[in-house]
Amino acid sequence: EDQVTQSPEALRLQEGESSSLNCSYTVSGLRGLFWYRQDPGKGPEFLFTLYSAGEEKEKERLKATLTKKESFLHITAPKPEDSATYLCAVHSIYNQGGKLIFGQGTELSVKP
Amino acid sequence: GAGVSQSPSNKVTEKGKDVELRCDPISGHTALYWYRQSLGQGLEFLIYFQGNSAPDKSGLPSDRFSAERTGGSVSTLTIQRTQQEDSAVYLCASSLGSASGSPYNEQFFGPGTRLTVL
Repeated sequence: EDQVTQSPEALRLQEGESSSLNCSYTVSGLRGLFWYRQDPGKGPEFLFTLYSAGEEKEKERLKATLTKKESFLHITAPKPEDSATYLCAVHSIYNQGGKLIFGQGTELSVKP
Repeated sequence: GAGVSQSPSNKVTEKGKDVELRCDPISGHTALYWYRQSLGQGLEFLIYFQGNSAPDKSGLPSDRFSAERTGGSVSTLTIQRTQQEDSAVYLCASSLGSASGSPYNEQFFGPGTRLTVL
């Protein structure tokens, strides 16, 4: 069964304190791994797609990396506006449609 | 351009009543998805539409749930005889789908409809 596990569930950082969020996945065949950001009361906002092990993508203070078993979202020198829940999702090659399997998310809080 | 829109943003209903939730996808997106997000739970896939193909209904939790997509654009999710466990945020997403040459592309989400069943 395809499964996604994110850790930690919650992370509190001081402004400028870099850290990483983990997304471990078990999937029959990975078509793509997606990272989203979700602010309270809003829908998820797309951040990155990673397709193969070794791939990296960056956007401002965020960098996403991918191995065969997990993905990391690295946050460098975070600011309070980076506070949100970060969601990881996978798409299996055995799913002919677009169904994504989501993890539970990591709630990030960055204090000034 | 405009993103995915959903209405209503909030819906409070009584147990046993039927509700309809609406989704307007991004123009030009051929794929449309419905997910459900319950308190403390991850996003749960419900149903997927791609163009004129038969929808993937594998995520619908019971036969009280149904969805349709008219004219390849707007979609309506209907929940009949609502139960308290149906309370959740219902999210709609769309993607380019086969219009991009690949069905496996980024999904863009709407703001969701918060459903509360009393």
